[in-house]
Amino acid sequence: EIVMTQSPATLSVSPGERATLSCRASQSFGTSLAWYQQKPGQAPRLLIYAAFTRATRIPARFSGSGSGAEFTLTISSLQSEDFATYYCQQYNRWPYTFGQGTRLEIK
Amino acid sequence: DVMLLESGGGWVQPGGSLRVSCIVSGFTFGNYAMAWVRQAPGRGLECVSAITNGYDDTLYTESVKGRFTISRDISKNTLFLQMNSLRVEDTGLYYCAKIRLGMGDAFDLWGQGTMVTVSS
Repeated sequence: EIVMTQSPATLSVSPGERATLSCRASQSFGTSLAWYQQKPGQAPRLLIYAAFTRATRIPARFSGSGSGAEFTLTISSLQSEDFATYYCQQYNRWPYTFGQGTRLEIK
Repeated sequence: DVMLLESGGGWVQPGGSLRVSCIVSGFTFGNYAMAWVRQAPGRGLECVSAITNGYDDTLYTESVKGRFTISRDISKNTLFLQMNSLRVEDTGLYYCAKIRLGMGDAFDLWGQGTMVTVSS
């Protein structure tokens, strides 16, 4: 199976600043990559699919980039509601696998 | 409104069985592939099983093969996951999710989950 590794495990950023989250795959697979946001007690929410396409009603401050085996989620100016855990997921090959998550916390 | 609502979770002893369900509304259920994703307490996400649209082909992660069965009843807009020979490590919150356009795509809608606890 494709192993997804996210870094860092925890990221401390001040509101209004930029956050950059990384996701690396054990095998290259193009752009079949999604990012999800999960807040405590809530289900995950799709943010980005196909590596860089924002899902419906996702603000423009969220952007995705990368292809192959290296991917990045950037949040350009952090709002209070953005502090959460973020997961990447590859859906190129079953089993679709998630990274272990990056917890984005307020600095 | 589009909605996915899971039910059927609970406590079961190791070796026992449980069936969880997910009733959907707001979209044509039979036109979409669906998946079950679980999350152990305080842990990350794991795709457990998926069912395609059209021919209803089924997929399972290795650790549940031969024990879990995914199915759907289109007339009832309901997705099922039958779980047999449950193990302690199957404990977690089980989410159903809609796959955006079909297999090989992201999960664009999620339910709130149903908790399964396997413990003696």
